[in-house]
Amino acid sequence: AQKVTQAQTEISVVEKEDVTLDCVYETRDTTYYLFWYKQPPSGELVFLIRRNSFDEQNEISGRYSWNFQKSTSSFNFTITASQVVDSAVYFCALQAGTASKLTFGTGTRLQVTL
Amino acid sequence: DAGITQSPRYKITETGRQVTLMCHQTWSHSYMFWYRQDLGHGLRLIYYSAAADITDKGEVPDGYVVSRSKTENFPLTLESATRSQTSVYFCASSRVASGTGNTIYFGEGSWLTVV
Repeated sequence: AQKVTQAQTEISVVEKEDVTLDCVYETRDTTYYLFWYKQPPSGELVFLIRRNSFDEQNEISGRYSWNFQKSTSSFNFTITASQVVDSAVYFCALQAGTASKLTFGTGTRLQVTL
Repeated sequence: DAGITQSPRYKITETGRQVTLMCHQTWSHSYMFWYRQDLGHGLRLIYYSAAADITDKGEVPDGYVVSRSKTENFPLTLESATRSQTSVYFCASSRVASGTGNTIYFGEGSWLTVV
């Protein structure tokens, strides 16, 4: 069975602070994919990144970066110099097995204030 | 490029009524999914479909029925709505017919309230 844990329910930061969202996953599959989605207040789910289990290189996209560590089964997401527009719920998700379905964590609500 | 469209976006219904949420995608994606989002649970898979006429249960299928007669449509029916089915429902699709590593794209969601 697959499981994703996002232990941080809610995080509040002041604009320009750096913030890291934690994600821990469980799977017995050796091939799997990890995802992050953003859900802004408008409600839609926006795809941010996909990472496969064989690629542990960290990835940076603008102010966003992702740290994948198989040794600790973690796929953490860092926002550098946060902005109010980053306020959203962020979901980590795991895809493993023969179907394409995703297993989601419970999400972390990020509130960025001025 | 319309992507995935869900209808209705907002619906209030009474306990015991049948409700159908529609989902249409224009990408000819093989896989389609229905998730529900509830506070404290994240998104949970209700049903999914690998292709037309092929459907399978997800984590929380009870009380729901799906069909997929055409690749582009994947309606979700609540046969007799209950208050516990008050939720936000997301339809999603992904491209490849098998395996993992396929990015799943979501519709905008359907807010359903059962009173």
